[in-house]
Amino acid sequence: GDSVTQMEGPVTLSEEAFLTINCTYTATGYPSLFWYVQYPGEGLQLLLKATKADDKGSNKGFEATYRKETTSFHLEKGSVQVSDSAVYFCARSQAGTALIFGKGTTLSVSS
Amino acid sequence: DAGVIQSPRHEVTEMGQEVTLRCKPISGHNSLFWYRQTMMRGLELLIYFNNNVPIDDSGMPEDRFSAKMPNASFSTLKIQPSEPRDSAVYFCASSTRTGGNEKLFFGSGTQLSVL
Repeated sequence: GDSVTQMEGPVTLSEEAFLTINCTYTATGYPSLFWYVQYPGEGLQLLLKATKADDKGSNKGFEATYRKETTSFHLEKGSVQVSDSAVYFCARSQAGTALIFGKGTTLSVSS
Repeated sequence: DAGVIQSPRHEVTEMGQEVTLRCKPISGHNSLFWYRQTMMRGLELLIYFNNNVPIDDSGMPEDRFSAKMPNASFSTLKIQPSEPRDSAVYFCASSTRTGGNEKLFFGSGTQLSVL
């Protein structure tokens, strides 16, 4: 069935390193794509989204581009900070259905 | 706005007991979602409501689980009887509508431990 697949974590980086978290999806039609972030002890919150092919979502230095040809929506950041340590979830939606999330990728950034 | 409010924040119970989780969505939001988070399976959709009506409950594990939304400002998720494998973090979320592009607002979750 339709799903979202993320790279398995944990991802461990030093401060100021480059971050990539891979996400691919399967779906019928053209879903909207999202990245959510979960800080320790909190619920998820929307980080960025893209609603159509070639759209780029961006927020807080994070970016992701909707690639229809590779069915991907990889999350990137040029220079991570300790405060970026969290769990990152890729998700897809489609009209009339609820969001489907990937399993999440834990990011740990050390100073 | 206070955001999505869930209670209790933590619940510890014994196997066989009834557990009720509560959620107050953001005022004006028409859709409400219950998700369960575990290490093994990640974040799973259990059920969602649109305008207080259950739309998709295919993610509800079994008959021991039930969810209600008696009005636009309140929902419950009940487990009866509870089992150790139900231990997880249960999240409630709400949004303005189910249109595919909406932003979900999550509560802080209920950490359930069934002994």
